[in-house]
Amino acid sequence: DAKTTQPNSMESNEEEPVHLPCNHSTISGTDYIHWYRQLPSQGPEYVIHGLTSNVNNRMASLAIAEDRKSSTLILHRATLRDAAVYYCILRYNTNAGKSTFGDGTTLTVKP
Amino acid sequence: GAGVSQSPSNKVTEKGKDVELRCDPISGHTALYWYRQRLGQGLEFLIYFQGNSAPDKSGLPSDRFSAERTGESVSTLTIQRTQQEDSAVYLCASSTRGGSNYGYTFGSGTRLTVV
Repeated sequence: DAKTTQPNSMESNEEEPVHLPCNHSTISGTDYIHWYRQLPSQGPEYVIHGLTSNVNNRMASLAIAEDRKSSTLILHRATLRDAAVYYCILRYNTNAGKSTFGDGTTLTVKP
Repeated sequence: GAGVSQSPSNKVTEKGKDVELRCDPISGHTALYWYRQRLGQGLEFLIYFQGNSAPDKSGLPSDRFSAERTGESVSTLTIQRTQQEDSAVYLCASSTRGGSNYGYTFGSGTRLTVV
């Protein structure tokens, strides 16, 4: 199964953009890239997902490399409430139930 | 309800006892998933239900773990003869369908502590 690689931690200043990277070099052609975030003592929360094209929603933007071997979650203006663990996962077209969540990136937002 | 509901939110049990964890998915969601999260770690896949298909049990760590789902509604995860290494947060998620183009909605989890 394809795995993802993320930095353990990142820091950002409030109201500045944040770019969270994810590598997935062994991704298959029909696997979707999903991002979730988890606040302390809560279950993960869906953020965004995509296949090939860049995606935007009210929470964030997802930039997917042309070869699909990496992606970047973009928070346009970080707030203190964005401090969380961010998980980049692959949802496999051949086995959509069995996604692997790594340790994610812990984002710290400084006021 | 509007979200995925899990109960109990916290459970403390003695080593060797059996426990049952419950998950109520979002109404109409055909796919349901159980994950386990140990302290400070990522999520570990346990089991996946999709409609009336046979569940994918490949993530269950031992035969002490089992899960059932009634139709497309409630699911119960049962751990028999609990061990201290079973202590973790057990997370349930559901999705509209089981395909890779559908996002998970997670519950808040059940924190299990085995003493």
